[in-house]
Amino acid sequence: AQKVTQAQTEISVVEKEDVTLDCVYETRDTTYYLFWYKQPPSGELVFLIRRNSFDEQNEISGRYSWNFQKSTSSFNFTITASQVVDSAVYFCALRPPTGANNLFFGTGTRLTVIP
Amino acid sequence: GAGVSQSPSNKVTEKGKDVELRCDPISGHTALYWYRQSLGQGLEFLIYFQGNSAPDKSGLPSDRFSAERTGGSVSTLTIQRTQQEDSAVYLCASSYDSQLLNSPLHFGNGTRLTVT
Repeated sequence: AQKVTQAQTEISVVEKEDVTLDCVYETRDTTYYLFWYKQPPSGELVFLIRRNSFDEQNEISGRYSWNFQKSTSSFNFTITASQVVDSAVYFCALRPPTGANNLFFGTGTRLTVIP
Repeated sequence: GAGVSQSPSNKVTEKGKDVELRCDPISGHTALYWYRQSLGQGLEFLIYFQGNSAPDKSGLPSDRFSAERTGGSVSTLTIQRTQQEDSAVYLCASSYDSQLLNSPLHFGNGTRLTVT
């Protein structure tokens, strides 16, 4: 069974603080892909990053960084020096190689950055 | 535009009526997906198409829901005899190929359906 858990329902931070959004997944597959999406108030889901299960290198893109830990089945997302424009709902998702070729999404974390 | 286009953006309908939601994927994308997002919930998978065929319909909540895709492009999600629990945002996404696992899904802005 595939499952993605985002335990943090809502997080509020003050602008310029760092924030980490947690994502824990469950799968029996050895090959899979993990994704993060951002859903701003406009509603459109914006693709942020993908990571395959064989690549545990952390990735940094500007103020965004991702920490993939296969040993703990986690794929956490950190925003450094948060900005008001980062306010959105963030979804972590898992794509297995078998079965339905869809993404299994977590329930999302609503991030509010206070100016 | 180059993105996934959905229409209408908002739909209010009376309980018992049928509704049609439309999705126009990114040109060249062979895979198309429908998801439902209820208030405060994650995204619930409904159905996906590879070309015009739908290999996986397992997510459709009931036989009141159906979807089709013609010409490998536009897709229509139909909900018959709508119920209040059908109220949600219906999101469409497309990707280059459903067999390419690393191919990200690109989402539209969704159709917000309200059943009164």
